[in-house]
Amino acid sequence: AQSVTQLGSHVSVSEGALVLLRCNYSSSVPPYLFWYVQYPNQGLQLLLKYTTGATLVKGINGFEAEFKKSETSFHLTKPSAHMSDAAEYFCAVSPRVEIGSGGSNYKLTFGKGTLLTVNP
Amino acid sequence: NAGVTQTPKFRILKIGQSMTLQCTQDMNHNYMYWYRQDPGMGLKLIYYSVGAGITDKGEVPNGYNVSRSTTEDFPLRLELAAPSQTSVYFCASSRTRTGAGYEQYFGPGTRLTVT
Repeated sequence: AQSVTQLGSHVSVSEGALVLLRCNYSSSVPPYLFWYVQYPNQGLQLLLKYTTGATLVKGINGFEAEFKKSETSFHLTKPSAHMSDAAEYFCAVSPRVEIGSGGSNYKLTFGKGTLLTVNP
Repeated sequence: NAGVTQTPKFRILKIGQSMTLQCTQDMNHNYMYWYRQDPGMGLKLIYYSVGAGITDKGEVPNGYNVSRSTTEDFPLRLELAAPSQTSVYFCASSRTRTGAGYEQYFGPGTRLTVT
């Protein structure tokens, strides 16, 4: 079974500082990897995803993430935090399955989330 | 496109009451999902559907029911509401199976309190 671990339920940074949100997964085969952001009282919005190809993935709002197979990680970074980045961030994984693999086709497993606060 | 819409945004229920949470998507997505979000717990899948007339249980289906009569709509029914069902509920949709790398699109959520 897959699992996702987000290290740190709460990360606090100063405006202009580097943002680093950690995500590790447990899976026998590298899964598809996603980062979602949830602003207060809103739904989840996709930031970026890794499916195949280049391991450094660029997303919206200046965020990027790097897939490292050897470390089973998909950490999210942004060089310079803005006040508007304050939100909760979720890492999620989905298994790579072929058609006809039943329930696994739908499955998206979420981490417990990391709340990012940005101090002025 | 409106994407995924949910109604109501907020609701307070008394123990034992029933209600239906509405979800509609206008992206012609085959797959639809219902999640609940509890503080510090991430999202847990309640039910999902791979197309009209086809639904299946997720991780936490007890106390809920769903139906999918059209591609656009995927209502979630709570029967005999209990305090443990106090949560934020999200509906999502995806073009096809997440197992092929397709992301899910989320609605704005319904905040439900059962007292």
